[in-house]
Formats: sequence, structure tokens, C-alpha cells
Amino acid sequence: GQQLNQSPQSMFIQEGEDVSMNCTSSSIFNTWLWYKQDPGEGPVLLIALYKAGELTSNGRLTAQFGITRKDSFLNISASIPSDVGIYFCAGQYGRTYKYIFGTGTRLKVLA
Amino acid sequence: DTGVSQNPRHKITKRGQNVTFRCDPISEHNRLYWYRQTLGQGPEFLTYFQNEAQLEKSRLLSDRFSAERPKGSFSTLEIQRTEQGDSAMYLCASSSNDPDRGLTYEQYFGPGTRLTVT
Repeated sequence: GQQLNQSPQSMFIQEGEDVSMNCTSSSIFNTWLWYKQDPGEGPVLLIALYKAGELTSNGRLTAQFGITRKDSFLNISASIPSDVGIYFCAGQYGRTYKYIFGTGTRLKVLA
Repeated sequence: DTGVSQNPRHKITKRGQNVTFRCDPISEHNRLYWYRQTLGQGPEFLTYFQNEAQLEKSRLLSDRFSAERPKGSFSTLEIQRTEQGDSAMYLCASSSNDPDRGLTYEQYFGPGTRLTVT
């Protein structure tokens, strides 16, 4: 099935560092969602974005809806060990209510 | 609000058997989605319902797969004549309109059902 490109695929960082990841597409999207998934569990919604250029924060997380509407970015500031997991972006386009998910960014935090 | 629930959490079955999974969405959420997720991949859309109407199905949903939402509340996903390639996590999500935002597209996921076909 179709999936969005996420970058990087995985990353190891030191506790306290900031993290950046992005999601890109060749299509224009109307909505972007960012999720975190722990092993064996369902994805947990972190942030929802609805307008091009929108910048939204949730605690140490900040996400942006790209101006071109073809990309989105997620930043995590001052990472902590519990930030470990897989982060997925999901985009909605056209008049459909379905979402296309990214390939995921696997984050590992070294204490 | 107890969140999206899915049952069973794990299912092991032999190839050729039929299996059925259940999803209970967040109360009063009118849209319900089914996704499949294999190891190392993001969730892949299978189908979604608005109330009891099934509005869209992916080409991934072969004729061995059928989903229902008879009363617009819980939903079931049935897989007939299971194959080893059906082994995956099956995720359910629900969403609803937010009167403050108008339409909202936020989806909330359940814990998933892990299917293993031997």
C-alpha cells in the first residue's frame, strides 16, 4: 500500500538532546497527524495539524504543517528515555476521510 | 470515555480457519476505521465506516475479508480461509466531528489485535 516518506528512519540520541523528523509527500494534504507507537500497542495521537504553516505544540513536542502542504515536521525538545518509540506521520487528502501513514521514525534515547 | 477497545488482543489460528475481530469505538464517534500493520511498517488503510455505511475499501481488502458495523456502533472484521500472509496487527480507530472545529479528522486508535497464522 501507499506510504509517506519519513526521515530519518531511525536515530539514536543522548538524553536531553532535541530531535527533528519530517514527513514528505508528492501530494497535497489537508490534515497531518503525528503519532507515537510503543511495541505491541496501538498508535497514540500526539498532535493534529489543519492549516498550511500551522505550528502546534504539545508539551515538549512541536509540529508544523509545511507551507507547500506536502510535508510536515515534528520536533521533540530535551528528549527523555520515555520518548523511545516509533513516530508516525499520517496525512489526509482530497475529500476522503482516510489517512496514509508514513514509514515511521524509530527513536532511541541513550541515558 | 473509555477509548477504543479491541478484542481479542491476540489470536493464533491455523491456515484455512476463519477469524473474527471486534472493535468498540469511542462512544458517539461516527467514523470507524480498520488498518493492518506488519512489522516495521506504518498502518495501512483497509476500510472505513461512517455510521453503519461502509464508505471506502482498500484494494488490500481481498474478498476473504469482510467488515461490518451493523448498528453504527461496534464493528467486526472477519477473515475467511486465513493465509500466513494475513499475520499482522489489525488496528481499529475512530473519529468524530468536533462542533468547535467543524469537521475534525483526528483518529484515535485501539490497542490492536495481533493475528498469527500458523
